[in-house]
Amino acid sequence: DSGVTQTPKHLITATGQRVTLRCSPRSGDLSVYWYQQSLDQGLQFLIQYYNGEERAKGNILERFSAQQFPDLHSELNLSSLELGDSALYFCASSPTLAGHHNTEAFFGQGTRLTVV
Amino acid sequence: AQTVTQSQPEMSVQEAETVTLSCTYDTSENNYYLFWYKQPPSRQMILVIRQEAYKQQNATENRFSVNFQKAAKSFSLKISDSQLGDTAMYFCAFMKHGAEDGGSQGNLIFGKGTKLSVKP
Repeated sequence: DSGVTQTPKHLITATGQRVTLRCSPRSGDLSVYWYQQSLDQGLQFLIQYYNGEERAKGNILERFSAQQFPDLHSELNLSSLELGDSALYFCASSPTLAGHHNTEAFFGQGTRLTVV
Repeated sequence: AQTVTQSQPEMSVQEAETVTLSCTYDTSENNYYLFWYKQPPSRQMILVIRQEAYKQQNATENRFSVNFQKAAKSFSLKISDSQLGDTAMYFCAFMKHGAEDGGSQGNLIFGKGTKLSVKP
């Protein structure tokens, strides 16, 4: 158990809908990262938050957004869903900005999103 | 931009034997980290081993070791005495070193993965 909790584990929804994925980082971790794992694109970095502020953006679509709350949990919002958004969405956390203090990122078990 | 390439989509090995997974990367950075992550069927991403680019000594973790060739931008993973529980997808990943002003991007750049099957 990595200590990172993601809910829900599975989610099935229809095209055009909006969903929210939730991530609780390890206790004390300030950085949260979101990744998308799909068959065709592999594992891709979406966005990073550090202590409530957006720190870095990757290949995140405009239909997607995220935030990190004062209690450090994070939510990833996916809207106007398309079939191609079906993927495994991972959240990871680390104590500081990873790379700054040579810390590793701990991954949650992911949310499997299926868009039908 | 950094890229990570894993040229072996699938590999298999007999239990108790040794297998090496290949990874090459491209970057203009001088300070960075390289990782191998394991993803078993449970889909959990598990860190196997980490290498700091400024360290010449290859990292080892029990049965796992790396061959880090900085000039060649190569980072292979050797698994000794393979066990059935090693069956998984293995991902090579790159991360830039943090900047002192804290403005670093700590995100990982992953390769496409190698599916390793350990056969009894």
